[in-house]
Amino acid sequence: EDKVVQSPLSLVVHEGDTVTLNCSYEVTNFRSLLWYKQEKKAPTFLFMLTSSGIEKKSGRLSSILDKKELFSILNITATQTGDSAVYLCAVDNYGQNFVFGPGTRLSVLP
Amino acid sequence: NAGVTQTPKFRVLKTGQSMTLLCAQDMNHEYMYWYRQDPGMGLRLIHYSVGEGTTAKGEVPDGYNVSRLKKQNFLLGLESAAPSQTSVYFCASSPGAGQPQHFGDGTRLSIL
Repeated sequence: EDKVVQSPLSLVVHEGDTVTLNCSYEVTNFRSLLWYKQEKKAPTFLFMLTSSGIEKKSGRLSSILDKKELFSILNITATQTGDSAVYLCAVDNYGQNFVFGPGTRLSVLP
Repeated sequence: NAGVTQTPKFRVLKTGQSMTLLCAQDMNHEYMYWYRQDPGMGLRLIHYSVGEGTTAKGEVPDGYNVSRLKKQNFLLGLESAAPSQTSVYFCASSPGAGQPQHFGDGTRLSIL
């Protein structure tokens, strides 16, 4: 059974800290890995990763994929209170949908 | 830019009642999905559609039915609501397989 695991499940930091969120996966056929940010309502798309070792970057957020070790990390530097959210990892296994992990709840305190 | 719109936003039902959740997208996407989100379990796929007139079962389809009569709309029905169906329901759409999904704001459904 295809599975996506995220760690930690919950994290509390202070503004200015750097955080690393982890996503590991076990799927029969891997096409891509996606990161989403979910604040109060709809998840919003952050990154799609298909190749190992190539960092995707957007402002203070960056992500990288390791297809050999079957994991990805999402880094957030100089965190702000607006970064508080649930971060979801999802894997495309060449099916018609994605397999989602349980999410990491990040709380950034002022 | 409406994107993906879900109605209603909130609903309380009694056990055994039926209802339909509506999802509408204005991005001309082929694929549409219904998920439920429960604490600690992430998003679980209920049903999905790869085009107008098509539907398929996802991971947790029991107790739900769907229809996609028009490309822009995807309806989720609960025939006889049960307390286990209390959840937040998200609709999503994408241009095709493997493409990032765009999500609606969710429907919070409580079954008493």
